[in-house]
Amino acid sequence: GENVEQHPSTLSVQEGDSAVIKCTYSDSASNYFPWYKQELGKRPQLIIDIRSNVGEKKDQRIAVTLNKTAKHFSLHITETQPEDSAVYFCAASTSGSARQLTFGSGTQLTVLP
Amino acid sequence: ETGVTQTPRHLVMGMTNKKSLKCEQHLGHNAMYWYKQSAKKPLELMFVYNFKEQTENNSVPSRFSPECPNSSHLFLHLHTLQPEDSALYLCASSQGNLAGGADTQYFGPGTRLTVL
Repeated sequence: GENVEQHPSTLSVQEGDSAVIKCTYSDSASNYFPWYKQELGKRPQLIIDIRSNVGEKKDQRIAVTLNKTAKHFSLHITETQPEDSAVYFCAASTSGSARQLTFGSGTQLTVLP
Repeated sequence: ETGVTQTPRHLVMGMTNKKSLKCEQHLGHNAMYWYKQSAKKPLELMFVYNFKEQTENNSVPSRFSPECPNSSHLFLHLHTLQPEDSALYLCASSQGNLAGGADTQYFGPGTRLTVL
């Protein structure tokens, strides 16, 4: 089955700096890669996703890049703000009528004011 | 609260108890999921239902028993649990796209389960 590795497990940055979180996956058939943000005591929420026919996707301060050959994808957050502090999870899945997501272990991002 | 709701939000039970977790989605979705979230571990997919049919059971012990009476409701029946089953149990739903396109999963707030 699919295996998703996520690094780093913790990340601290100064407000205004950029943050990068990286994930690798094992199943070359995976073609959908969402990122979720989970604030303390709250539910995971989708912040951005990318499909395998696209190499990069941006949404304001958030971007995701995908390298299918190397089987890794990354989340980039620019101009970080304290409210970006949360746990971020990457995930991967293959096509199917119901997505069976395999999640990474999460990255605790702390943005220091 | 709209979207995906879960009850109860917190549950403490003994190892000999029987309890049920409930999930309800108000999004018109066709697929529903149970995940287990333990400290310092990835979210673990437990069960998947698509159009009320169970499509995945990821080697979950039989002390966890899912039930999906319709596409809006999902239950997780618990019996004879172990302390290591203590975790946050998250429900999610998605459109269940038959064409295999992007199928965003929306999560409920979770049930914090403690097994004594």
